[in-house]
This record gives sequence, C-alpha cells and structure tokens, in this order.
Amino acid sequence: QKEVEQNSGPLSVPEGAIASLNCTYSDRGSQSFFWYRQYSGKSPELIMSIYSNGDKEDGRFTAQLNKASQYVSLLIRDSQPSDSATYLCAVSGWSGNQFYFGTGTSLTVIP
Amino acid sequence: NAGVTQTPKFRILKIGQSMTLQCTQDMNHNYMYWYRQDPGMGLKLIYYSVGAGITDKGEVPNGYNVSRSTTEDFPLRLELAAPSQTSVYFCASSYTGRDQPQHFGDGTRLSIL
Repeated sequence: QKEVEQNSGPLSVPEGAIASLNCTYSDRGSQSFFWYRQYSGKSPELIMSIYSNGDKEDGRFTAQLNKASQYVSLLIRDSQPSDSATYLCAVSGWSGNQFYFGTGTSLTVIP
Repeated sequence: NAGVTQTPKFRILKIGQSMTLQCTQDMNHNYMYWYRQDPGMGLKLIYYSVGAGITDKGEVPNGYNVSRSTTEDFPLRLELAAPSQTSVYFCASSYTGRDQPQHFGDGTRLSIL
C-alpha cells in the first residue's frame, strides 16, 4: 500500500465549477498535510497547509482534513483555466524526517 | 529573496560521465531534500539532510551521493551516469521536517545519452 494515494485523473471541470481533489494516506500518526500545485514543466508550489480536522479556507481554495478516515481533500471554487495543473498531496510522516507525496491529480478547467 | 536555487537548469550527459547538481538555499532551513520526477510520475525521494553533516537515504538512493557541509548547500553527485537517471531533479528545503512545508527549486532537467 502506498503511503499517499490520489486519483491520477485527468479531472475535467468547466470554468466556474467546483473542482474536488481527494487524497488518502496510510500513516495514522501523520500530523501535517499539504497541497501543492505543479504546472507542466515547473516545480511544485505550495497552495495549502492543514494540520487539524475540519476545513481551512484560503481564497478560492478549501482544504478538508478527516484524520479518522485518513482523508484529505482540496476544493477549488470558481475554477479558472489558470487552475489547470497537477495537484500533489503531501503528508508528513510520524518520524518527521520524510514527506510522502502522492502521484498527483491532473486537473483541466475547460473555458 | 532567492529561496532555493538549483544549477544547472539543463544538462546532457554521456553514459558513464559524472556530474554534480548544485542546490543552495538562503532561508536558513535545516532540512533539505533531493527528489527525482520521471515523466507523468510523482516525486521520489533520493536523499535528505536534517542539518549540516547529517544525511540519510530516501526511497531511490542508488547511483547518487550527497554531502551537507553547510546549512545552505546540498549538492547531489552522480558518479557513473546511466540512462535510467534521465529525469527532472528537484531540490527542496524546509525549516523543520514535520510541520513545515517544503519549498522547491526550479529543477534540473537531466538527460543521459
């Protein structure tokens, strides 16, 4: 079983819709969770960090964490073509020395 | 504010050649990481360091070596380049390992022919 699993997609949504990206993780001791966006040919850039159960909102982005279900998600409201990218879920392991990255979900926002 | 700087951005090597990928950060981060990313794949950890003089293997360390003599620098060494090492290499850093996000450099695109 992989440490972090994501649906690879591709996920396509129309402009203005809500995009929902999901991630599950295997280490119950994980404490820190991150979403990165990676445009084609570019490096990953941090979008959101979340550490506690519940929702965390930042502009059009909402991260949701459910530690009991070992599940973290990212919602993008009012999706724009510029949101088209691969979204990586990252989880900090219990030891604290390693991050575990999912393989990413490819999102395409159709104008 | 430069952040994480990687050099070179592109490089073509012949099989059997050696090279060093440079990574430096100016954020006074303790933790540094090297990843490789193959086309359409996720990030795979090669090596990481929790501070100057301390390094440890990640998921795919074979064929690579690292050193960490200063807080700022974390070079990655390829001794005998092989076609399987064709990839994009990312260096990242974070202040601490667990609670802080990693900040990435722009990457080095390496081709072994």
